[in-house]
Amino acid sequence: DAKTTQPNSMESNEEEPVHLPCNHSTISGTDYIHWYRQLPSQGPEYVIHGLTSNVNNRMASLAIAEDRKSSTLILHRATLRDAAVYYCILRDVETGANNLFFGTGTRLTVIP
Amino acid sequence: DAGITQSPRHKVTETGTPVTLRCHQTENHRYMYWYRQDPGHGLRLIHYSYGVKDTDKGEVSDGYSVSRSKTEDFLLTLESATSSQTSVYFCAITPSGLAGESEQFFGPGTRLTVL
Repeated sequence: DAKTTQPNSMESNEEEPVHLPCNHSTISGTDYIHWYRQLPSQGPEYVIHGLTSNVNNRMASLAIAEDRKSSTLILHRATLRDAAVYYCILRDVETGANNLFFGTGTRLTVIP
Repeated sequence: DAGITQSPRHKVTETGTPVTLRCHQTENHRYMYWYRQDPGHGLRLIHYSYGVKDTDKGEVSDGYSVSRSKTEDFLLTLESATSSQTSVYFCAITPSGLAGESEQFFGPGTRLTVL
């Protein structure tokens, strides 16, 4: 199963952009790239997902490399409420739910 | 808000006792999931369901069983709880299609301690 690699932790200053990287060198053509985040003592929260093209929504942007072997979640202006663990995961549309894998994610600290 | 509730939210039990956790959704979604979260392991899929009475195993299914007799409820049972099953358990749903194409929404979690 295709897995992802993320840095264990990152720091950012408040109101600055944050780029969270994710490597997925064994990604298959049918894997969607999903990002979730988890605030302390809460369940994971969906952030964004994409397949090949860059994606934008109200929370963040997702930049996907042309070869799809890496991606970057971009928070345009970090706030203290963005301090969380961010998970980059792959979801295979063909095999369905059986290979969901979250990993340990990147802990983002936002410095006031 | 995907209308997902979990009960109980906290439970302490003893080794060898049966435990059932309940996930309830109000939106009539077809796909439901149970995960466990442990330090150093992230989230791991236990079982999932793709419809009433249709379930399948995930990555860490040993020691767990599930049932789905109604669309809105997905039950996770530990037949004989062990200390290794001390964890935080999350229920999740996907509103449409297979998980690959759809965002997933999570419940608030159940913290289970097995003494």
